[in-house]
Amino acid sequence: GDSVTQMEGPVTLSEEAFLTINCTYTATGYPSLFWYVQYPGEGLQLLLKATKADDKGSNKGFEATYRKETTSFHLEKGSVQVSDSAVYFCALSLMNSGYSTLTFGKGTMLLVSP
Amino acid sequence: DSGVTQTPKHLITATGQRVTLRCSPRSGDLSVYWYQQSLDQGLQFLIQYYNGEERAKGNILERFSAQQFPDLHSELNLSSLELGDSALYFCASSVGTSGAYQETQYFGPGTRLLVL
Repeated sequence: GDSVTQMEGPVTLSEEAFLTINCTYTATGYPSLFWYVQYPGEGLQLLLKATKADDKGSNKGFEATYRKETTSFHLEKGSVQVSDSAVYFCALSLMNSGYSTLTFGKGTMLLVSP
Repeated sequence: DSGVTQTPKHLITATGQRVTLRCSPRSGDLSVYWYQQSLDQGLQFLIQYYNGEERAKGNILERFSAQQFPDLHSELNLSSLELGDSALYFCASSVGTSGAYQETQYFGPGTRLLVL
């Protein structure tokens, strides 16, 4: 079945460091790919998405490029802030008979220290 | 604030009991989705309702059921509770029926269920 694998955390960084969180997927078909972020005590928020190969999603300094050849969608940010500390989820979605659902990875916790 | 509300925020109950979780979608959204987040299973899709009708089903146990009412709020009913049902239950909503592939899903803050 469809699945998402992302690197285990926690990822611990100092402020202004470069961030990469790896995400790879397995899917039958051509999924849309997403990164969601969950801040402590809150629900998930869509961070960015890409709907086809070579698309780059970006938001709030975060970027991810849909790589079909490597089935990957790695999340990057050039300079993290303490406020970026959260859990990040990679997810995919496929259309099936007119509807689609989200399949999530296990999540990666990011801790940024001042 | 996503505009999706969930009540209660926390729920503590005993094995064998039944509970009801409630979700109000964003104004104008017709679809409601339920997800379960647990330490061992991660975040899993349970079920989707669109305008009162069941639209898609995921890994939902037979002991669980849901419905969406005419005012579009939704309830998730969990019965014969087991220790393993302890989890965070999220509701999400979107405008239409096609799901995440074409629409953004907006998540509520979740209900944390603890079964003792």
